[in-house]
Amino acid sequence: DVKVTQSSRYLVKRTGEKVFLECVQDMDHENMFWYRQDPGLGLRLIYFSYDVKMKEKGDIPEGYSVSREKKERFSLILESASTNQTSMYLCASSLNSGGVNQPQHFGDGTRLSIL
Amino acid sequence: AQKITQTQPGMFVQEKEAVTLDCTYDTSDPSYGLFWYKQPSSGEMIFLIYQGSYDQQNATEGRYSLNFQKARKSANLVISASQLGDSAMYFCAMRPNNAGNMLTFGGGTRLMVKP
Repeated sequence: DVKVTQSSRYLVKRTGEKVFLECVQDMDHENMFWYRQDPGLGLRLIYFSYDVKMKEKGDIPEGYSVSREKKERFSLILESASTNQTSMYLCASSLNSGGVNQPQHFGDGTRLSIL
Repeated sequence: AQKITQTQPGMFVQEKEAVTLDCTYDTSDPSYGLFWYKQPSSGEMIFLIYQGSYDQQNATEGRYSLNFQKARKSANLVISASQLGDSAMYFCAMRPNNAGNMLTFGGGTRLMVKP
């Protein structure tokens, strides 16, 4: 089974702090994704990566950056955390096949609170 | 642009009965994949079932089946013989062939199974 592991289930930080959310997958997937989930808004894509050192902006990249130095690890960085970044953050990975049938596999999520 | 609509914010179903969760989508790409995910209160996103736009038959996975009506652009999830453990949020998602590896998610439906 695919295993996507997020470093923290719950995290509390202060406004202005630099925050790192880590995600590791063990299935040699090329693609990795970061989403945030807010009530009534569903999942919104922040950034994704289709290869080491490659990144693409999603729908809501403002206030975030990412890092992918190794294939199995994808980090989300909040450069200067703000209260409106309090949310549930989900990491996912998938194979980079030529078809549309590859599901994304998700981690358990990180509930981040910015005080 | 792609869009997924789930019109039912919340639904109740009696244990052991079947339930249908609605999903409609919009895309101009003739080739696409449709996915359903389950999110229990613990937060993890669990992949349930996949339907390809060119698949001739509706997908089934155990108690889950997909009522795919291509002309209507709908991909409703049917859960047979509901169990208490089916209580969760359910998300419909789509990946058009021209969107690379990105998924577009609907807003979700909260299903509550009554004993």
